[in-house]
Parts: sequence; structure tokens; C-alpha cells
Amino acid sequence: DTAVSQTPKYLVTQMGNDKSIKCEQNLGHDTMYWYKQDSKKFLKIMFSYNNKELIINETVPNRFSPKSPDKAHLNLHINSLELGDSAVYFCASRPPGGNTIYFGEGSWLTVV
Amino acid sequence: LAKTTQPISMDSYEGQEVNITCSHNNIATNDYITWYQQFPSQGPRFIIQGYKTKVTNEVASLFIPADRKSSTLSLPRVSLSDTAVYYCLVGDPRNTGFQKLVFGTGTRLLVSP
Repeated sequence: DTAVSQTPKYLVTQMGNDKSIKCEQNLGHDTMYWYKQDSKKFLKIMFSYNNKELIINETVPNRFSPKSPDKAHLNLHINSLELGDSAVYFCASRPPGGNTIYFGEGSWLTVV
Repeated sequence: LAKTTQPISMDSYEGQEVNITCSHNNIATNDYITWYQQFPSQGPRFIIQGYKTKVTNEVASLFIPADRKSSTLSLPRVSLSDTAVYYCLVGDPRNTGFQKLVFGTGTRLLVSP
């Protein structure tokens, strides 16, 4: 019944690997996001998609590539992982014309 | 986007009322004030949103003075489960810029028995 679900919740991987985090929302929202929360607990937006179209692309390394197969899914693929990529990644969504952002429970990525 | 200032941390006891104030001196005409709550190991959760005066829901109340340069989140009779980080955001939630807002460090509320 989780509205915004992301997998995996925890991921430990070695430098240089490629990994993906999946996100799905069953709320019927048309806008989805990826946020990154760093060690200082600042939560910053990375990407936003509206109806499968990229509308926000913040200053994020090219190693990060979002993919939205449909408006209920927004996956995040990360190539050549670096130590500095260790963080919590949150998926979120917003209803059409809505003013509330709904967050998933986060994916804890640790790069060793 | 309006910059916000809120206390780093607050302590309280069960059953007390907690008021967390957020300053936002350069709030714009179209900006709303939104509060989120984040528990450890979870994503932020929307609590309440308002534009002016007072807004109340089943979780909290939000008091906004006439000049809108500050706002106060009021949590009635807190319990241990209210221990969390509370974020104040100011902006037009329908504006792309709002979605880019950095949540910042928020206010860490610790409720003790």
C-alpha cells in the first residue's frame, strides 16, 4: 500500500560499479522526482519528470541518468559509482496541479 | 525563493505543546509556507501548508501573522513519536522553483518521557 515505493532500501557497492534504484508511485501523480540527501542532511533535487518528460535537471554528473518508462515509474541509474555518491536518495511525486510533494522512504547507498 | 531560518533543535516532554518558529523575511506575494516532518530512515512527510492567518488539521496548527515574515508550527500535546526533524519551506508549491528548494537542516525536535 506504500504510495511511493523505491527499491532497494539499502545498497552497498564498490567504486566503479553501475547500479540502479527503482521508484514507483501508485497515486496517479504525473510528476516524479529524485532528491539526494547528503551527510549534512540537506535534501536537494536532482531530477524531475512530468508525464515522462524531463523538466528539471540540476547540476548532476552525467553518471546519473534518470529513466521514466511511464508516468508511474522513475528509475535512477548511476554509472561508475564514486565514494562521494554515498547518500540517501529519495524518490517523490506530486499530483497534477497539486502543491504537496510525497516522498518515498529513501534508498541508502554506500559506496566502498 | 525566500530563505528561511529556524532553530537547529528543540527539546520537549510528552504532553506538552511545541511551537517551532520559522523566519522568512523576504517572502513573496505568491509564496506559501509548508512544513514537512522527517523521521529517521524515512522520507519527509507533508504536515501542513498555509498562506495567511491560521490553518489547522488533525496533526498541527500553523500560525501566520499579517506581515507573513514568520510562521509558527504548533504541535499540541506531543508524544515520543513526534521526535523528528521539521522543515519549513517557503515558496509557490506549483512553481518549478519550489521543487528545487533545499530542505536545509530543519529543526530537530526531541520529545522525552
